Amino acid sequence: ETGVTQTPRHLVMGMTNKKSLKCEQHLGHNAMYWYKQSAKKPLELMFVYSLEERVENNSVPSRFSPECPNSSHLFLHLHTLQPEDSALYLCASSQDTQGPQPQHFGDGTRLSIL
Amino acid sequence: DAKTTQPTSMDCAEGRAANLPCNHSTISGNEYVYWYRQIHSQGPQYIIHGLKNNETNEMASLIITEDRKSSTLILPHATLRDTAVYYCIAPYSGAGSYQLTFGKGTKLSVIP
Repeated sequence: ETGVTQTPRHLVMGMTNKKSLKCEQHLGHNAMYWYKQSAKKPLELMFVYSLEERVENNSVPSRFSPECPNSSHLFLHLHTLQPEDSALYLCASSQDTQGPQPQHFGDGTRLSIL
Repeated sequence: DAKTTQPTSMDCAEGRAANLPCNHSTISGNEYVYWYRQIHSQGPQYIIHGLKNNETNEMASLIITEDRKSSTLILPHATLRDTAVYYCIAPYSGAGSYQLTFGKGTKLSVIP
């Protein structure tokens, strides 16, 4: 148990669907992150939130839309995805973004685009 | 950000110490070295981090050379559950936030 919970664990969707991934952390952290892990590729940082404000957006297509309503919850809204978006999406949290704080990861959502 | 270099794979006998090396010759003076691991079908797990001094916690020990150009993660008594991909990372501060850049890591196989 890492203190970071992601739902659903698995998701299959068509290219025209709209779905959302949810992440919740129970660690009292102020920073949250979304990562993408494609098959045989390293983890790629997508978004960084600090105190509910987005501080990083690493050239992610607009079909991925993050939302951070409070410091404990993070969403990734998905719409009109492409087959190459099939991947493991990981959420992480840390105490803050300013110091060498360890990040704690959830177990991810395995997304498959048909 | 400092680039790290790790062997692609390693084997270790169960019960023996696993020593995982990492080269980070371009690391700057204020960049920490972090180690994470990822067990199959799980998210990455933080193990340990250090700056200059050697560090030890309940999971592992981190030995950093005096010139800080390389480090070694030591799992003192490897078990089958330690089979995973181990990542050595030197985060950088981009636009005011620390970012973890994961490479390919070292796939450690603990053998019975």
